[in-house]
Amino acid sequence: DGGITQSPKYLFRKEGQNVTLSCEQNLNHDAMYWYRQDPGQGLRLIYYSQIVNDFQKGDIAEGYSVSREKKESFPLTVTSAQKNPTAFYLCASSTRITETQYFGPGTRLLVL
Amino acid sequence: AQSVTQLDSQVPVFEEAPVELRCNYSSSVSVYLFWYVQYPNQGLQLLLKYLSGSTLVKGINGFEAEFNKSQTSFHLRKPSVHISDTAEYFCAGNTGKLIFGQGTTLQVKP
Repeated sequence: DGGITQSPKYLFRKEGQNVTLSCEQNLNHDAMYWYRQDPGQGLRLIYYSQIVNDFQKGDIAEGYSVSREKKESFPLTVTSAQKNPTAFYLCASSTRITETQYFGPGTRLLVL
Repeated sequence: AQSVTQLDSQVPVFEEAPVELRCNYSSSVSVYLFWYVQYPNQGLQLLLKYLSGSTLVKGINGFEAEFNKSQTSFHLRKPSVHISDTAEYFCAGNTGKLIFGQGTTLQVKP
């Protein structure tokens, strides 16, 4: 089955720790995205990538980092600089930046 | 500024009643418009999209939406809702990046 997978489903972060969220797609999409979702605030764009080895900051990139070494994978690292990381994180992909985006099941990050 | 506005944060409705979820977009937003549905603790699922052509767009689960350029609206409708339609609904416009509304919680009551 084609689709987008995110792991883990739940992730716990300790103070001062970096954590990495995984996002993999087998849809052969060029573009991939990371969003953060907080209650009552809709979705906010963290980073996006239009092509391998290239990515751009979204609206709330501070405290986050990404890489795009493979077309299928777009991992997100939540660094210790992100002081309020508790949220639901969603990965998405599309054939191109202007095309329909398809979403993964999400990862919920909680702080211990 | 580019924006998408969902006019209702919550919409309670009884089962089998019709429902309309309202969405307005700023004129600077591209007319690529989408409705997504999100069930608790899940990702977003595409309900329908408007890219061009007929202004009435039919989607999954019996939903439809009408693109109205003069009113800059893209309201979502369903003639008869089920309990299983209870979820969060997001309207979005594509400007080169996707701009989301704040979401509308549809609460279907028995």
